[in-house]
Amino acid sequence: EDKVVQSPLSLVVHEGDTVTLNCSYEVTNFRSLLWYKQEKKAPTFLFMLTSSGIEKKSGRLSSILDKKELFSILNITATQTGDSAIYLCAGTGGSEKLVFGKGTKLTVNP
Amino acid sequence: DAGVIQSPRHEVTEMGQEVTLRCKPISGHNSLFWYRQTMMRGLELLIYFNNNVPIDDSGMPEDRFSAKMPNASFSTLKIQPSEPRDSAVYFCASSLGTPVRAFFGQGTRLTVV
Repeated sequence: EDKVVQSPLSLVVHEGDTVTLNCSYEVTNFRSLLWYKQEKKAPTFLFMLTSSGIEKKSGRLSSILDKKELFSILNITATQTGDSAIYLCAGTGGSEKLVFGKGTKLTVNP
Repeated sequence: DAGVIQSPRHEVTEMGQEVTLRCKPISGHNSLFWYRQTMMRGLELLIYFNNNVPIDDSGMPEDRFSAKMPNASFSTLKIQPSEPRDSAVYFCASSLGTPVRAFFGQGTRLTVV
């Protein structure tokens, strides 16, 4: 059965800190890994990673995939209170199902 | 683009009643997913459709749950009879092509008392 595990489950930092969120996966016939941000309502898409070693970047957020070691990290630099959210990692494989981890709850204090 | 539309946004019902959740995917998308989110279990995939055909329903908890997709623009998730442990936020998501990149609706918060 496909599995995605995220760590830590929760994290509290101060504004300006840099954080690294972790995601490991076991997905049959792996195709892609996705990161989502969930504030009060629906998860919103951040990144899709399909190739190892290529960093995706959007502003202060960046992510990279390691297909050999089966993990991905999401980095957020110079955190702001608006970054407070649950960050979800999901994997897809041959079945095209999107399997999610339980998420990392990030709290950024002023 | 209106995005994925779910209704109702909130539903409170009594144990034993039938509940029907509705979803309109993004126009042109060919895959549709139903998820349930709770604090304990996170986001669980219940069922997904491709081109209106159910592909994998292994996440449907039990026979009380059923889902249909009669056409490309509408899907329902039905719980009959409902139980308090069904209380959760139910999300519908849709995507186009592969690899899958799902767009989520705003969810239905279901409370069964």
